[in-house]
Amino acid sequence: DAMVIQNPRYQVTQFGKPVTLSCSQTLNHNVMYWYQQKSSQAPKLLFHYYDKDFNNEADTPDNFQSRRPNTSFCFLDIRSPGLGDAAMYLCAVDEGQGARNTEAFFGQGTRLTVV
Amino acid sequence: QQQVKQSPQSLIVQKGGISIINCAYENTAFDYFPWYQQFPGKGPALLIAIRPDVSEKKEGRFTISFNKSAKQFSLHIMDSQPGDSATYFCAASKSTGRRALTFGSGTRLQVQP
Repeated sequence: DAMVIQNPRYQVTQFGKPVTLSCSQTLNHNVMYWYQQKSSQAPKLLFHYYDKDFNNEADTPDNFQSRRPNTSFCFLDIRSPGLGDAAMYLCAVDEGQGARNTEAFFGQGTRLTVV
Repeated sequence: QQQVKQSPQSLIVQKGGISIINCAYENTAFDYFPWYQQFPGKGPALLIAIRPDVSEKKEGRFTISFNKSAKQFSLHIMDSQPGDSATYFCAASKSTGRRALTFGSGTRLQVQP
């Protein structure tokens, strides 16, 4: 059974039209991450939540925002998608600091296409 | 600044051969070194991981070798199979504080029948 679920799997949006990607988890882990992965590249961290504490990477564009209304759900909002934002967006979770198990579990990803 | 360097970028191995992928890290605060396997259109999945207190970890056909003094670690896939064809990412993180994974650039492995 999937432990990190991302919806939708594929998203097509128009240039400049706001889009929201969602992630949910059944593991009840403290930390949720959003990564951006462009074709043939490594995943790049955008931001993460430790519980409700939001941590933004210094080079994450302001165009990207995130919300975590509860432990299970996290959303990635792209306010004005550009062609360069086309990528696979990966959500991941782990137990957080002090936990014995440091494994990060990834979702299947949402492939975003901007037209 | 790239903190985890991975090589080679791509690798072709014959079925039954040994696949070797190497990584080097810079941040001495890293103390957790996982390898992830990613198939096209899928999210990365943890393959095997090691901590610096051991120099080698083996799980089935997959072995991580770790050299703390050289700040290097490698993945060995024994008896490589066509089903192993995927992209492999090494990563590193800290167990405390900021634990987000820093990924290497990835190695695209192709195992030929």
